[in-house]
Amino acid sequence: GQSLEQPSEVTAVEGAIVQINCTYQTSGFYGLSWYQQHDGGAPTFLSYNALDGLEETGRFSSFLSRSDSYGYLLLQELQMKDSASYFCAVWGLSSGSARQLTFGSGTQLTVLP
Amino acid sequence: DAGVTQSPTHLIKTRGQQVTLRCSPKSGHDTVSWYQQALGQGPQFIFQYYEEEERQRGNFPDRFSGHQFPNYSSELNVNALLLGDSALYLCASSGLAAYEQYFGPGTRLTVT
Repeated sequence: GQSLEQPSEVTAVEGAIVQINCTYQTSGFYGLSWYQQHDGGAPTFLSYNALDGLEETGRFSSFLSRSDSYGYLLLQELQMKDSASYFCAVWGLSSGSARQLTFGSGTQLTVLP
Repeated sequence: DAGVTQSPTHLIKTRGQQVTLRCSPKSGHDTVSWYQQALGQGPQFIFQYYEEEERQRGNFPDRFSGHQFPNYSSELNVNALLLGDSALYLCASSGLAAYEQYFGPGTRLTVT
């Protein structure tokens, strides 16, 4: 099976940098994804890390350490519109032969003016 | 380019009834996954369909069943509804990069 842990809430001010951590336990790991979900909206894909290291996409970066079963999402130059829930999700084998996404419980990010 | 669409948007059912939710994937996608999201929680994987077959299933009872049609659209059926089935049901589609899933807006199911 798979389990993921991430903080339930994070608060930061506009323009700041925030890091959302995620640790996971899994028996069949292929990669770590991050999704953003605004209240009442659908989750939207942000990033995917299959290899160790940092991936940068604009103001967002995602990091993975496979040996530590750890990753993080880094959001820079925070804007009010970044207030949302952020989910880490393991892409891997849970049971059976096909890969699936297993989500964490989510981190509610609140950006203050 | 139309994204993932789901219907209906909202649904209210009584305990014991049956419900069918529908999903049309993003153009060019052939794999559809269904998730259940309780309030304040992350999406929980129900099952995935590819080539009209259930390819993978999460920890959900047999009351949850599905189907995929030749045009890649999909249905989720839930029988003998329980109060605990009240949730947001999300459909996601993917193509070659299967880890990158595109989610629909969801169907909010309330069981009374």
